[in-house]
Amino acid sequence: QVQLVQSGADVKEPGASVRVSCETSGFTSTNYYMHWLRQAPGQGGQGLEWLGIIYTSDYPEYSQKFQGRISLTRDTSTGTVYMELSDLTSADTAVYYCARERLGSGTYSGYAFDIWGQGTLVTVSP
Amino acid sequence: QSALTQPPSASGSPGQSVTFSCTGTSSDVGAYNYVSWYQQHPGKAPKLIIYDVTKRPSGVPNRFSGSKSGNTASLTVSGLQLEDEAVYYCCSYGGRRFPYVFGTGTTVTVL
Repeated sequence: QVQLVQSGADVKEPGASVRVSCETSGFTSTNYYMHWLRQAPGQGGQGLEWLGIIYTSDYPEYSQKFQGRISLTRDTSTGTVYMELSDLTSADTAVYYCARERLGSGTYSGYAFDIWGQGTLVTVSP
Repeated sequence: QSALTQPPSASGSPGQSVTFSCTGTSSDVGAYNYVSWYQQHPGKAPKLIIYDVTKRPSGVPNRFSGSKSGNTASLTVSGLQLEDEAVYYCCSYGGRRFPYVFGTGTTVTVL
């Protein structure tokens, strides 16, 4: 079964760092672009925000908004991908998702996210 | 990079159709045929229902259809069912500088 399973909820103090893991199963993650997104909590849901991508080459690219305090990595032996965000503030309180980019026709770039993890709530609080 | 604009809510009776928009700019929606739509039920992860403006992944009912004109994309849900009550988000590729931008979300209510 193709699925992404993320690590559990976490609570951090302002200024700390958080690392969220995303285990892949049912497919080879090194054959796909993997993304991280987040969604602030709130009634009815808040908007989704793209954080970054890790390519099949394991090269990452980040949203300009998070450049300098985000790091995406992959353990090629297990296929697990990781997101680390540093210098946390209350504005970083959100549900963080990993997601797989669908394959395009003859290309890795499908420009849509076809498999999502279950989400990890990160709460930043003193 | 601003979020794509969606109406906050849309509604219809079971069996009816509902259509709602997703407005971007000439740098995202208008520039690429890479608009996708996601359905999100409370407490769940988003689910891909439309990609490449009009295409449906395997397993998504053909009641869901997408289109685009200029800088505005639209999603139509035909033959509304109670299970279609959810928040729907559009997303557009915006190039290497601002790769992905999402819409503000539309809450669909089945009356």
